[in-house]
Amino acid sequence: AQSVTQLDSQVPVFEEAPVELRCNYSSSVSVYLFWYVQYPNQGLQLLLKYLSGSTLVKSINGFEAEFNKSQTSFHLRKPSVHISDTAEYFCAVRRSGGYQKVTFGTGTKLQVIP
Amino acid sequence: KAGVTQTPRYLIKTRGQQVTLSCSPISGHRSVSWYQQTPGQGLQFLFEYFSETQRNKGNFPGRFSGRQFSNSRSEMNVSTLELGDSALYLCASSLEGRGGNTEAFFGQGTRLTVV
Repeated sequence: AQSVTQLDSQVPVFEEAPVELRCNYSSSVSVYLFWYVQYPNQGLQLLLKYLSGSTLVKSINGFEAEFNKSQTSFHLRKPSVHISDTAEYFCAVRRSGGYQKVTFGTGTKLQVIP
Repeated sequence: KAGVTQTPRYLIKTRGQQVTLSCSPISGHRSVSWYQQTPGQGLQFLFEYFSETQRNKGNFPGRFSGRQFSNSRSEMNVSTLELGDSALYLCASSLEGRGGNTEAFFGQGTRLTVV
Protein backbone atom coordinates (compact mmCIF):
# COMPACT_ATOMS: atom_id res chain seq x y z
CA ALA A 1 0.00 0.00 0.00
CA GLN A 2 1.14 3.53 -0.64
CA SER A 3 1.22 6.42 1.81
CA VAL A 4 1.83 10.14 1.69
CA THR A 5 3.42 12.35 4.33
CA GLN A 6 3.06 16.10 4.49
CA LEU A 7 5.13 17.05 7.50
CA ASP A 8 4.06 20.69 7.67
CA SER A 9 0.48 21.23 8.73
CA GLN A 10 0.78 25.01 8.41
CA VAL A 11 3.21 27.22 6.52
CA PRO A 12 3.07 31.00 7.02
CA VAL A 13 4.93 33.05 4.44
CA PHE A 14 5.07 36.73 3.55
CA GLU A 15 3.63 37.90 0.27
CA GLU A 16 6.13 37.80 -2.61
CA ALA A 17 8.41 35.42 -0.70
CA PRO A 18 9.18 31.92 -2.01
CA VAL A 19 7.55 28.86 -0.53
CA GLU A 20 8.10 25.11 -0.53
CA LEU A 21 5.47 22.63 0.64
CA ARG A 22 6.95 19.24 1.33
CA CYS A 23 5.55 15.89 0.29
CA ASN A 24 7.09 12.46 0.69
CA TYR A 25 5.50 9.22 -0.40
CA SER A 26 6.14 5.55 0.01
CA SER A 27 5.28 2.86 -2.49
CA SER A 28 6.89 -0.33 -3.66
CA VAL A 29 5.71 0.22 -7.22
CA SER A 30 5.65 3.09 -9.68
CA VAL A 31 3.19 5.84 -8.92
CA TYR A 32 1.43 8.90 -10.20
CA LEU A 33 1.69 12.01 -8.01
CA PHE A 34 -0.68 14.94 -7.66
CA TRP A 35 -1.03 18.25 -5.88
CA TYR A 36 -4.52 19.52 -5.16
CA VAL A 37 -5.55 22.89 -3.73
CA GLN A 38 -8.60 23.56 -1.60
CA TYR A 39 -9.90 27.08 -1.05
CA PRO A 40 -12.22 27.76 1.92
CA ASN A 41 -15.63 26.12 1.58
CA GLN A 42 -14.67 24.54 -1.72
CA GLY A 43 -13.81 21.11 -3.03
CA LEU A 44 -10.34 20.18 -4.21
CA GLN A 45 -8.91 21.32 -7.53
CA LEU A 46 -6.02 19.68 -9.32
CA LEU A 47 -2.99 21.95 -9.32
CA LEU A 48 -0.49 19.74 -11.15
CA LYS A 49 0.41 16.12 -11.67
CA TYR A 50 3.32 13.88 -12.50
CA LEU A 51 2.57 10.82 -14.61
CA SER A 52 5.81 10.16 -16.48
CA GLY A 53 8.47 11.93 -18.49
CA SER A 54 9.96 15.20 -17.28
CA THR A 55 10.32 15.17 -13.52
CA LEU A 56 9.55 18.89 -13.28
CA VAL A 57 5.89 19.76 -13.72
CA LYS A 58 4.31 23.20 -13.64
CA SER A 59 0.91 24.73 -13.08
CA ILE A 60 -0.59 27.69 -14.89
CA ASN A 61 -0.41 29.92 -11.80
CA GLY A 62 3.31 29.65 -11.13
CA PHE A 63 3.58 26.56 -8.93
CA GLU A 64 5.94 23.74 -9.82
CA ALA A 65 6.83 20.37 -8.34
CA GLU A 66 9.70 18.02 -8.96
CA PHE A 67 9.46 14.27 -8.76
CA ASN A 68 12.51 12.86 -7.01
CA LYS A 69 12.42 9.08 -7.14
CA SER A 70 15.54 8.51 -5.03
CA GLN A 71 14.19 10.69 -2.22
CA THR A 72 10.58 9.65 -2.83
CA SER A 73 9.54 13.28 -2.76
CA PHE A 74 7.28 15.57 -4.73
CA HIS A 75 7.73 18.99 -3.14
CA LEU A 76 5.65 21.94 -4.32
CA ARG A 77 7.34 25.29 -4.85
CA LYS A 78 6.50 28.80 -5.90
CA PRO A 79 9.13 31.56 -6.23
CA SER A 80 6.80 34.38 -5.19
CA VAL A 81 3.46 33.86 -3.46
CA HIS A 82 0.38 36.02 -3.62
CA ILE A 83 -2.39 36.58 -1.11
CA SER A 84 -4.70 34.57 -3.35
CA ASP A 85 -2.49 31.50 -2.84
CA THR A 86 -3.79 31.21 0.72
CA ALA A 87 -5.40 27.77 0.77
CA GLU A 88 -4.84 24.20 1.85
CA TYR A 89 -2.67 22.03 -0.37
CA PHE A 90 -2.90 18.27 -0.57
CA CYS A 91 -0.34 15.90 -2.02
CA ALA A 92 -1.71 12.62 -3.37
CA VAL A 93 -0.35 9.39 -4.77
CA ARG A 94 -1.82 6.64 -6.86
CA ARG A 95 -0.25 3.43 -8.04
CA SER A 96 0.15 3.36 -11.78
CA GLY A 97 -1.64 0.71 -13.77
CA GLY A 98 -5.06 -0.76 -13.24
CA TYR A 99 -7.71 0.78 -11.06
CA GLN A 100 -6.18 2.10 -7.86
CA LYS A 101 -7.47 4.42 -5.18
CA VAL A 102 -5.85 7.78 -4.56
CA THR A 103 -4.19 8.28 -1.19
CA PHE A 104 -4.03 11.85 0.11
CA GLY A 105 -1.71 13.48 2.58
CA THR A 106 -3.10 15.32 5.60
CA GLY A 107 -2.72 18.69 3.91
CA THR A 108 -0.65 21.83 4.42
CA LYS A 109 -2.32 25.16 5.09
CA LEU A 110 -0.47 27.93 3.31
CA GLN A 111 -1.07 31.30 4.92
CA VAL A 112 0.23 34.23 2.93
CA ILE A 113 0.86 37.26 5.12
CA PRO A 114 0.51 40.71 3.51
CA LYS B 1 -20.06 21.35 -18.88
CA ALA B 2 -21.49 21.17 -15.37
CA GLY B 3 -19.12 20.16 -12.58
CA VAL B 4 -19.62 17.59 -9.85
CA THR B 5 -22.75 18.39 -7.88
CA GLN B 6 -23.24 17.32 -4.30
CA THR B 7 -26.48 17.70 -2.40
CA PRO B 8 -27.25 18.87 0.13
CA ARG B 9 -24.44 21.30 0.95
CA TYR B 10 -25.19 21.27 4.68
CA LEU B 11 -26.88 18.80 6.98
CA ILE B 12 -27.50 18.64 10.70
CA LYS B 13 -28.50 15.26 12.10
CA THR B 14 -28.95 13.74 15.53
CA ARG B 15 -26.95 10.82 16.87
CA GLY B 16 -28.51 7.52 15.88
CA GLN B 17 -30.17 8.85 12.76
CA GLN B 18 -29.19 7.91 9.26
CA VAL B 19 -28.30 10.16 6.35
CA THR B 20 -28.05 9.89 2.56
CA LEU B 21 -25.77 12.12 0.52
CA SER B 22 -25.99 12.49 -3.22
CA CYS B 23 -23.37 13.07 -5.92
CA SER B 24 -23.93 13.77 -9.60
CA PRO B 25 -20.68 13.34 -11.55
CA ILE B 26 -19.57 15.23 -14.60
CA SER B 27 -21.39 13.99 -17.67
CA GLY B 28 -19.52 11.03 -19.17
CA HIS B 29 -17.59 10.23 -16.02
CA ARG B 30 -18.14 6.67 -14.84
CA SER B 31 -16.00 6.59 -11.73
CA VAL B 32 -17.20 8.16 -8.49
CA SER B 33 -15.18 8.21 -5.27
CA TRP B 34 -16.17 9.37 -1.82
CA TYR B 35 -13.92 10.87 0.85
CA GLN B 36 -14.39 11.99 4.42
CA GLN B 37 -12.48 15.14 5.36
CA THR B 38 -11.90 16.08 8.99
CA PRO B 39 -9.40 18.56 10.48
CA GLY B 40 -7.43 15.87 12.27
CA GLN B 41 -7.46 13.08 9.70
CA GLY B 42 -7.32 14.89 6.39
CA LEU B 43 -9.00 13.10 3.49
CA GLN B 44 -9.92 9.52 4.16
CA PHE B 45 -11.00 7.34 1.25
CA LEU B 46 -14.41 5.76 1.71
CA PHE B 47 -15.14 3.90 -1.51
CA GLU B 48 -15.12 4.09 -5.27
CA TYR B 49 -17.77 3.03 -7.73
CA PHE B 50 -17.39 2.32 -11.41
CA SER B 51 -20.27 1.24 -13.63
CA GLU B 52 -22.48 0.54 -10.63
CA THR B 53 -19.87 -1.71 -8.97
CA GLN B 54 -17.84 -0.94 -5.89
CA ARG B 55 -14.27 -1.20 -7.05
CA ASN B 56 -12.30 -0.02 -4.03
CA LYS B 57 -13.15 0.36 -0.37
CA GLY B 58 -11.47 2.18 2.49
CA ASN B 59 -11.28 1.24 6.14
CA PHE B 60 -14.62 2.44 7.39
CA PRO B 61 -17.22 0.50 9.38
CA GLY B 62 -20.19 -1.10 7.71
CA ARG B 63 -22.38 1.84 8.76
CA PHE B 64 -20.95 3.60 5.71
CA SER B 65 -22.33 2.32 2.45
CA GLY B 66 -22.83 3.55 -1.05
CA ARG B 67 -24.21 2.76 -4.42
CA GLN B 68 -24.06 3.98 -7.99
CA PHE B 69 -26.90 4.14 -10.44
CA SER B 70 -26.92 3.42 -14.16
CA ASN B 71 -26.59 7.14 -14.91
CA SER B 72 -23.40 7.20 -12.75
CA ARG B 73 -25.02 9.25 -10.01
CA SER B 74 -23.97 7.99 -6.61
CA GLU B 75 -25.29 8.06 -3.10
CA MET B 76 -23.64 7.31 0.18
CA ASN B 77 -25.49 6.37 3.32
CA VAL B 78 -24.40 6.52 6.92
CA SER B 79 -26.55 4.71 9.43
CA THR B 80 -26.63 5.07 13.21
CA LEU B 81 -24.80 8.37 13.12
CA GLU B 82 -22.12 9.11 15.70
CA LEU B 83 -20.69 12.45 16.75
CA GLY B 84 -17.41 11.46 15.11
CA ASP B 85 -19.12 11.26 11.73
CA SER B 86 -19.26 15.04 11.61
CA ALA B 87 -17.15 15.94 8.60
CA LEU B 88 -17.03 17.31 5.10
CA TYR B 89 -17.92 14.52 2.67
CA LEU B 90 -16.39 14.98 -0.75
CA CYS B 91 -17.30 13.25 -3.95
CA ALA B 92 -14.96 13.06 -6.94
CA SER B 93 -15.60 11.85 -10.46
CA SER B 94 -13.23 10.87 -13.24
CA LEU B 95 -13.28 9.41 -16.73
CA GLU B 96 -11.18 6.58 -15.40
CA GLY B 97 -9.17 5.33 -18.29
CA ARG B 98 -6.93 2.33 -17.74
CA GLY B 99 -3.80 3.09 -15.76
CA GLY B 100 -5.38 5.49 -13.33
CA ASN B 101 -3.84 8.60 -14.81
CA THR B 102 -7.05 10.54 -15.24
CA GLU B 103 -7.79 13.57 -13.14
CA ALA B 104 -10.39 13.48 -10.38
CA PHE B 105 -12.83 16.40 -10.24
CA PHE B 106 -14.24 17.21 -6.83
CA GLY B 107 -17.59 18.57 -5.78
CA GLN B 108 -17.91 21.26 -3.12
CA GLY B 109 -18.83 18.69 -0.52
CA THR B 110 -21.60 18.10 1.99
CA ARG B 111 -20.94 19.42 5.48
CA LEU B 112 -22.51 16.95 7.92
CA THR B 113 -22.87 17.93 11.55
CA VAL B 114 -24.03 15.31 14.04
CA VAL B 115 -25.39 16.64 17.32
